[in-house]
Amino acid sequence: GAGVSQTPSNKVTEKGKYVELRCDPISGHTALYWYRQSLGQGPEFLIYFQGTGAADDSGLPNDRFFAVRPEGSVSTLKIQRTERGDSAVYLCASSLFGTSTDTQYFGPGTRLTVL
Amino acid sequence: GESVGLHLPTLSVQEGDNSIINCAYSNSASDYFIWYKQESGKGPQFIIDIRSNMDKRQGQRVTVLLNKTVKHLSLQIAATQPGDSAVYFCAENVNRGSTLGRLYFGRGTQLTVWP
Repeated sequence: GAGVSQTPSNKVTEKGKYVELRCDPISGHTALYWYRQSLGQGPEFLIYFQGTGAADDSGLPNDRFFAVRPEGSVSTLKIQRTERGDSAVYLCASSLFGTSTDTQYFGPGTRLTVL
Repeated sequence: GESVGLHLPTLSVQEGDNSIINCAYSNSASDYFIWYKQESGKGPQFIIDIRSNMDKRQGQRVTVLLNKTVKHLSLQIAATQPGDSAVYFCAENVNRGSTLGRLYFGRGTQLTVWP
Protein backbone atom coordinates (compact mmCIF):
# COMPACT_ATOMS: atom_id res chain seq x y z
CA GLY A 1 0.00 0.00 0.00
CA ALA A 2 0.90 3.66 -0.13
CA GLY A 3 3.40 5.04 2.33
CA VAL A 4 3.36 8.33 4.19
CA SER A 5 2.95 11.27 1.83
CA GLN A 6 3.72 14.91 2.44
CA THR A 7 2.84 18.03 0.53
CA PRO A 8 4.29 20.23 -0.70
CA SER A 9 7.69 18.67 -1.27
CA ASN A 10 9.26 22.12 -1.27
CA LYS A 11 8.02 25.39 0.16
CA VAL A 12 9.75 28.74 -0.17
CA THR A 13 8.33 31.61 1.81
CA GLU A 14 9.31 35.00 3.08
CA LYS A 15 10.09 35.85 6.66
CA GLY A 16 6.93 36.67 8.58
CA LYS A 17 4.59 34.63 6.38
CA TYR A 18 2.32 31.78 7.45
CA VAL A 19 2.78 28.25 6.10
CA GLU A 20 0.92 24.96 6.30
CA LEU A 21 2.52 21.58 5.75
CA ARG A 22 0.38 18.53 5.16
CA CYS A 23 0.92 14.88 6.06
CA ASP A 24 -1.09 11.86 4.91
CA PRO A 25 -0.20 8.86 7.09
CA ILE A 26 -0.35 5.21 6.14
CA SER A 27 -3.98 4.12 6.10
CA GLY A 28 -5.05 2.64 9.41
CA HIS A 29 -2.16 4.05 11.42
CA THR A 30 -3.44 5.63 14.62
CA ALA A 31 -0.27 7.48 15.58
CA LEU A 32 1.29 10.36 13.67
CA TYR A 33 4.53 12.19 14.38
CA TRP A 34 6.18 15.38 13.18
CA TYR A 35 9.94 15.84 13.23
CA ARG A 36 12.23 18.59 12.00
CA GLN A 37 15.59 17.90 10.42
CA SER A 38 18.26 20.55 10.00
CA LEU A 39 21.11 20.08 7.58
CA GLY A 40 23.59 17.50 8.80
CA GLN A 41 21.52 16.58 11.84
CA GLY A 42 19.19 13.79 12.81
CA PRO A 43 15.45 14.40 12.99
CA GLU A 44 14.20 16.18 16.11
CA PHE A 45 10.82 15.40 17.57
CA LEU A 46 8.12 18.08 17.42
CA ILE A 47 4.73 16.53 18.21
CA TYR A 48 2.96 13.19 18.38
CA PHE A 49 -0.74 12.46 17.81
CA GLN A 50 -2.65 9.45 19.05
CA GLY A 51 -5.86 9.61 17.06
CA THR A 52 -7.08 13.20 16.97
CA GLY A 53 -5.35 14.36 20.12
CA ALA A 54 -1.81 15.55 20.64
CA ALA A 55 -0.32 13.06 23.10
CA ASP A 56 2.97 14.94 23.34
CA ASP A 57 3.63 18.42 21.92
CA SER A 58 6.62 19.21 24.07
CA GLY A 59 8.94 19.29 21.07
CA LEU A 60 7.28 22.30 19.46
CA PRO A 61 9.88 25.07 19.73
CA ASN A 62 7.47 27.92 20.49
CA ASP A 63 3.88 29.08 20.11
CA ARG A 64 4.35 29.94 16.45
CA PHE A 65 4.14 26.22 15.74
CA PHE A 66 0.86 24.37 15.88
CA ALA A 67 -0.40 21.09 14.49
CA VAL A 68 -3.81 19.52 14.07
CA ARG A 69 -5.26 16.17 13.14
CA PRO A 70 -9.00 16.79 13.24
CA GLU A 71 -10.23 13.45 11.90
CA GLY A 72 -7.44 11.24 13.13
CA SER A 73 -5.91 10.81 9.70
CA VAL A 74 -4.39 13.75 7.81
CA SER A 75 -2.37 16.22 9.85
CA THR A 76 -1.35 19.80 9.17
CA LEU A 77 1.64 21.52 10.73
CA LYS A 78 1.14 25.27 10.86
CA ILE A 79 3.87 27.81 11.33
CA GLN A 80 3.04 31.46 11.93
CA ARG A 81 5.34 34.44 11.39
CA THR A 82 8.05 32.27 9.89
CA GLU A 83 11.66 33.03 10.69
CA ARG A 84 14.82 32.14 8.78
CA GLY A 85 15.70 29.72 11.56
CA ASP A 86 12.59 27.69 10.71
CA SER A 87 14.24 26.58 7.47
CA ALA A 88 14.59 22.81 7.62
CA VAL A 89 13.08 19.59 6.33
CA TYR A 90 9.86 18.77 8.13
CA LEU A 91 9.28 15.04 8.34
CA CYS A 92 6.10 13.21 9.15
CA ALA A 93 5.90 9.61 10.32
CA SER A 94 3.12 7.26 11.28
CA SER A 95 2.85 4.03 13.22
CA LEU A 96 0.10 1.50 13.70
CA PHE A 97 -0.50 1.79 17.43
CA GLY A 98 1.86 4.44 18.78
CA THR A 99 3.46 2.24 21.41
CA SER A 100 7.10 2.59 22.39
CA THR A 101 8.06 -0.46 20.30
CA ASP A 102 6.00 0.45 17.26
CA THR A 103 7.90 1.11 14.03
CA GLN A 104 7.60 4.64 12.73
CA TYR A 105 7.48 4.98 8.95
CA PHE A 106 8.57 8.29 7.51
CA GLY A 107 7.41 10.33 4.57
CA PRO A 108 9.73 12.10 2.13
CA GLY A 109 9.55 15.39 4.01
CA THR A 110 8.77 18.99 3.11
CA ARG A 111 11.78 21.23 2.60
CA LEU A 112 10.90 24.65 4.00
CA THR A 113 13.04 27.62 3.06
CA VAL A 114 12.38 30.96 4.72
CA LEU A 115 13.99 33.87 2.88
CA GLY B 1 19.15 13.77 29.26
CA GLU B 2 18.44 11.44 26.42
CA SER B 3 20.99 11.41 23.67
CA VAL B 4 22.01 9.12 20.88
CA GLY B 5 25.32 9.70 19.22
CA LEU B 6 27.55 8.08 16.67
CA HIS B 7 31.26 7.39 16.96
CA LEU B 8 32.13 8.20 13.35
CA PRO B 9 30.46 10.76 11.13
CA THR B 10 31.74 9.16 7.90
CA LEU B 11 32.59 5.65 6.77
CA SER B 12 34.01 4.64 3.41
CA VAL B 13 34.12 1.00 2.35
CA GLN B 14 34.82 -0.93 -0.79
CA GLU B 15 32.02 -2.74 -2.52
CA GLY B 16 31.71 -6.27 -1.18
CA ASP B 17 33.26 -5.50 2.19
CA ASN B 18 31.32 -5.59 5.43
CA SER B 19 30.37 -2.31 7.10
CA ILE B 20 29.96 -1.63 10.79
CA ILE B 21 28.25 1.52 12.00
CA ASN B 22 28.30 2.28 15.70
CA CYS B 23 26.01 4.19 17.99
CA ALA B 24 26.10 5.08 21.68
CA TYR B 25 23.08 5.92 23.76
CA SER B 26 22.84 7.30 27.26
CA ASN B 27 19.40 6.45 28.61
CA SER B 28 19.10 3.10 30.32
CA ALA B 29 15.29 3.41 30.14
CA SER B 30 15.36 3.06 26.35
CA ASP B 31 13.61 -0.13 25.36
CA TYR B 32 13.50 0.03 21.61
CA PHE B 33 16.16 0.89 19.05
CA ILE B 34 15.88 1.41 15.33
CA TRP B 35 18.27 1.89 12.47
CA TYR B 36 17.17 4.10 9.61
CA LYS B 37 18.77 4.71 6.23
CA GLN B 38 18.36 8.11 4.64
CA GLU B 39 19.25 8.81 1.04
CA SER B 40 19.69 12.33 -0.21
CA GLY B 41 16.37 14.12 -0.58
CA LYS B 42 14.36 11.31 0.99
CA GLY B 43 12.88 10.52 4.36
CA PRO B 44 14.43 7.99 6.74
CA GLN B 45 13.77 4.41 5.68
CA PHE B 46 13.37 1.69 8.32
CA ILE B 47 16.11 -0.96 8.17
CA ILE B 48 15.94 -3.02 11.31
CA ASP B 49 14.94 -2.72 14.95
CA ILE B 50 15.73 -4.40 18.22
CA ARG B 51 14.09 -4.46 21.61
CA SER B 52 16.01 -4.10 24.82
CA ASN B 53 15.35 -7.71 25.82
CA MET B 54 17.45 -8.88 22.87
CA ASP B 55 21.14 -8.52 22.09
CA LYS B 56 21.16 -9.46 18.43
CA ARG B 57 18.79 -9.41 15.54
CA GLN B 58 19.38 -10.31 11.92
CA GLY B 59 17.71 -9.23 8.74
CA GLN B 60 18.61 -9.53 5.11
CA ARG B 61 22.32 -8.60 4.94
CA VAL B 62 21.99 -6.56 8.14
CA THR B 63 22.57 -7.39 11.77
CA VAL B 64 21.98 -5.19 14.77
CA LEU B 65 23.84 -5.80 18.02
CA LEU B 66 22.83 -4.29 21.32
CA ASN B 67 25.12 -4.12 24.33
CA LYS B 68 23.13 -2.71 27.22
CA THR B 69 26.06 -2.91 29.61
CA VAL B 70 27.97 -0.22 27.75
CA LYS B 71 24.90 1.32 26.05
CA HIS B 72 26.17 0.58 22.58
CA LEU B 73 24.37 -0.30 19.37
CA SER B 74 25.86 -1.34 16.06
CA LEU B 75 24.64 -2.03 12.56
CA GLN B 76 26.51 -4.51 10.44
CA ILE B 77 25.94 -4.60 6.71
CA ALA B 78 27.27 -7.65 4.91
CA ALA B 79 28.66 -7.46 1.36
CA THR B 80 28.10 -3.73 1.13
CA GLN B 81 26.77 -2.51 -2.22
CA PRO B 82 26.81 0.92 -3.88
CA GLY B 83 23.07 1.18 -3.18
CA ASP B 84 23.89 1.10 0.53
CA SER B 85 25.50 4.53 0.29
CA ALA B 86 23.43 6.82 2.50
CA VAL B 87 23.32 8.38 5.95
CA TYR B 88 22.50 5.89 8.68
CA PHE B 89 20.80 6.97 11.88
CA CYS B 90 20.21 5.07 15.05
CA ALA B 91 17.20 6.10 17.09
CA GLU B 92 15.90 5.12 20.49
CA ASN B 93 12.52 5.19 22.12
CA VAL B 94 12.43 5.76 25.84
CA ASN B 95 9.53 3.89 27.40
CA ARG B 96 8.52 6.58 29.83
CA GLY B 97 5.15 8.22 30.24
CA SER B 98 4.38 11.13 27.98
CA THR B 99 7.48 10.66 25.81
CA LEU B 100 6.28 7.25 24.70
CA GLY B 101 6.01 8.09 21.05
CA ARG B 102 9.16 10.13 20.73
CA LEU B 103 12.23 8.88 18.90
CA TYR B 104 15.63 10.35 19.73
CA PHE B 105 18.04 10.36 16.81
CA GLY B 106 21.79 10.64 16.62
CA ARG B 107 23.64 12.80 14.11
CA GLY B 108 24.06 10.03 11.57
CA THR B 109 26.94 8.33 9.77
CA GLN B 110 27.54 8.92 6.08
CA LEU B 111 28.36 5.58 4.47
CA THR B 112 30.07 5.76 1.09
CA VAL B 113 30.62 2.61 -0.93
CA TRP B 114 33.17 2.77 -3.72
CA PRO B 115 33.70 0.15 -6.44
